Amino acid sequence: AQSVTQLDSQVPVFEEAPVELRCNYSSSVSVYLFWYVQYPNQGLQLLLKYLSGSTLVESINGFEAEFNKSQTSFHLRKPSVHISDTAEYFCAVSEGGSEKLVFGKGTKLTVNP
Amino acid sequence: EPEVTQTPSHQVTQMGQEVILRCVPISNHLYFYWYRQILGQKVEFLVSFYNNEISEKSEIFDDQFSVERPDGSNFTLKIRSTKLEDSAMYFCASHRDSGANVLTFGAGSRLTVL
Repeated sequence: AQSVTQLDSQVPVFEEAPVELRCNYSSSVSVYLFWYVQYPNQGLQLLLKYLSGSTLVESINGFEAEFNKSQTSFHLRKPSVHISDTAEYFCAVSEGGSEKLVFGKGTKLTVNP
Repeated sequence: EPEVTQTPSHQVTQMGQEVILRCVPISNHLYFYWYRQILGQKVEFLVSFYNNEISEKSEIFDDQFSVERPDGSNFTLKIRSTKLEDSAMYFCASHRDSGANVLTFGAGSRLTVL
C-alpha cells in the first residue's frame, strides 16, 4: 500500500533563506508525485508534479522538487523564500492509473521577516 | 481562473443529523472527488465519481455516505447520520482528463459535529 511521510510538521525560516521540505513515499509500483500548497482559508493548489521524464521539476514561483527513485523521495526546495510563501505544503502520490491521491500530513512553512 | 466552489464554508450540526455538502466543479471537468482532513491528520481520499457513478471509494466511505450529481453542475456529499468523528474539513476536487490526476480542489467545507 502507498504511504507518504512528511517528517517535518512545522518549518520556520527567515525571509531569503533556503528551505527544503522533505517527502518520502512507499509504493511497489510506478508513481506520480505531487506537491500541493494551501494558503490560509484557501483550497489545495497544485504547486508542481512529476509524472515522467526529467526527475527535476519546477514551479513558476521558484520551487523545485527532485524525484529520487532509489531514495523514494520527492523533496521540495526553494533557494530563497518570501513571506508570501507562508503556507501549508502537502506531498501526495498516486500509483499510475489510480484515481486516488495519498497525501502526507503536511508541513507548515512559516517565513519570518 | 476557473474554480471549484464549495458550500457551506462551515457547518455545525448535532450528532445524528443529516448533512449535505455541496460542490460546483469546473464546468468541463468529468471526474469528481471528495477528500477529507480531520484536524491534525492527513488529507484522506473518500470517493471518486465519473459518468454518474462511483468509480472508487475508500473504506471510510461506508453506508452513511453518499454522493450525487443531481443536476449536471452540483456534486454533493451526504452524510446520513453524523457522528462526532465525522468532524473534519471536506474537500471537493475535479479534473477533466483521466490518468494524470491533476486535481483542482475547492476551499473546503468545515463540518463540526457536536
